Amino acid sequence: SQQGEEDPQALSIQEGENATMNCSYKTSINNLQWYRQNSGRGLVHLILIRSNEREKHSGRLRVTLDTSKKSSSLLITASRAADTASYFCATGRSSGSRLTFGEGTQLTVNP
Amino acid sequence: GAVVSQHPSRVICKSGTSVKIECRSLDFQATTMFWYRQFPKQSLMLMATSNEGSKATYEQGVEKDKFLINHASLTLSTLTVTSAHPEDSSFYICSAAGGGASTDTQYFGPGTRLTVL
Repeated sequence: SQQGEEDPQALSIQEGENATMNCSYKTSINNLQWYRQNSGRGLVHLILIRSNEREKHSGRLRVTLDTSKKSSSLLITASRAADTASYFCATGRSSGSRLTFGEGTQLTVNP
Repeated sequence: GAVVSQHPSRVICKSGTSVKIECRSLDFQATTMFWYRQFPKQSLMLMATSNEGSKATYEQGVEKDKFLINHASLTLSTLTVTSAHPEDSSFYICSAAGGGASTDTQYFGPGTRLTVL
């Protein structure tokens, strides 16, 4: 079953703006990951953050994790039209275990 | 690095036939491979987890005899949809873990669009 809930379900912004997506989960986790999926394609791994970490950066991406609130956020700064995609969070309850995916956020960046 | 291929990318078949989908990790040995199904505008639904040389672990509600998974080597897993019916039409995606800096990261194939007529 999907334990992740993502918010918002859809987000439309202008190029250059920042995009923030949130993910909440219900059980304790070992790690939380963010993936991007372009329409009709496979998923691309973006960032993995472990339960003992609070923030991680990768290029224009910033991920935060608040285990007390069981939530995570993905921030994309200075968005580009090419960032248009669906973004999924996924949680792993233990190292090497299966991932449980959230429902995803559809991001549209308008040029 | 950590590239996963999937073949075929698209298949159309008649009802009652069987379809085999291959998933390969091209530049790493995958300790575990996963098979997902995705309906339009929905999230991924895990179907099964497979480890090389052992039987796949299926998720609740997934028919083992319908969706046969074989994980013959550390770089190849196959999903066979037996006696396919129109309701099996979907986007099937595999992933592999074991490459990259973390064994927790899954690397996904590009997916296979199955249409059963």
